[in-house]
Amino acid sequence: AQSVAQPEDQVNVAEGNPLTVKCTYSVSGNPYLFWYVQYPNRGLQFLLKYITGDNLVKGSYGFEAEFNKSQTSFHLKKPSALVSDSALYFCAVRGLYSGAGSYQLTFGKGTKLSVIP
Amino acid sequence: KAGVTQTPRYLIKTRGQQVTLSCSPISGHRSVSWYQQTPGQGLQFLFEYFSETQRNKGNFPGRFSGRQFSNSRSEMNVSTLELGDSALYLCASSLWDRETYEQYFGPGTRLTVT
Repeated sequence: AQSVAQPEDQVNVAEGNPLTVKCTYSVSGNPYLFWYVQYPNRGLQFLLKYITGDNLVKGSYGFEAEFNKSQTSFHLKKPSALVSDSALYFCAVRGLYSGAGSYQLTFGKGTKLSVIP
Repeated sequence: KAGVTQTPRYLIKTRGQQVTLSCSPISGHRSVSWYQQTPGQGLQFLFEYFSETQRNKGNFPGRFSGRQFSNSRSEMNVSTLELGDSALYLCASSLWDRETYEQYFGPGTRLTVT
């Protein structure tokens, strides 16, 4: 079965500094990986995905993620953090084909990012 | 294009009652998935519907059920509510795209069981 680990419950970073939110995964076959962000009282918003190709994936709001197959990691990064980036971030991996035309997404438990002014 | 909508946004129920939550997907999306979000367990997959058929199911008891209508709107039902069912229930819709499986989430229904 597939799994996702986000080792940090919370990450604090000063505004203007680079940020990294960590994610490691376990899945059979080629991984399809995603990052989502959740603002208070809102649903999840898609940030970026890795399907194949370049290991550095660029997404919305200046975020990017680096895929590392040997370390089974997919860390989310941003060169310069904004206070408005403060939110809950989820990493997800697409699991095995269910046999009924469906794949299941498995999410990490989330990392709360706080950007300090 | 309107996003995923969920109603109601907030619900308070007592133990033993049942509840029905509704989700309207983005126009043209045929797949609807449901997730339960709690602080301790994070996001857990409940089930997915496509063209009125349940295609995938997570590891939840039979008290949790759902359905999808011909217009792709979906409902989920929880019977005999327990305190542990208190959670944010999220609905997500997607095009049937086996290559990307990008999902769009609604704002959720916050269920409190007392």
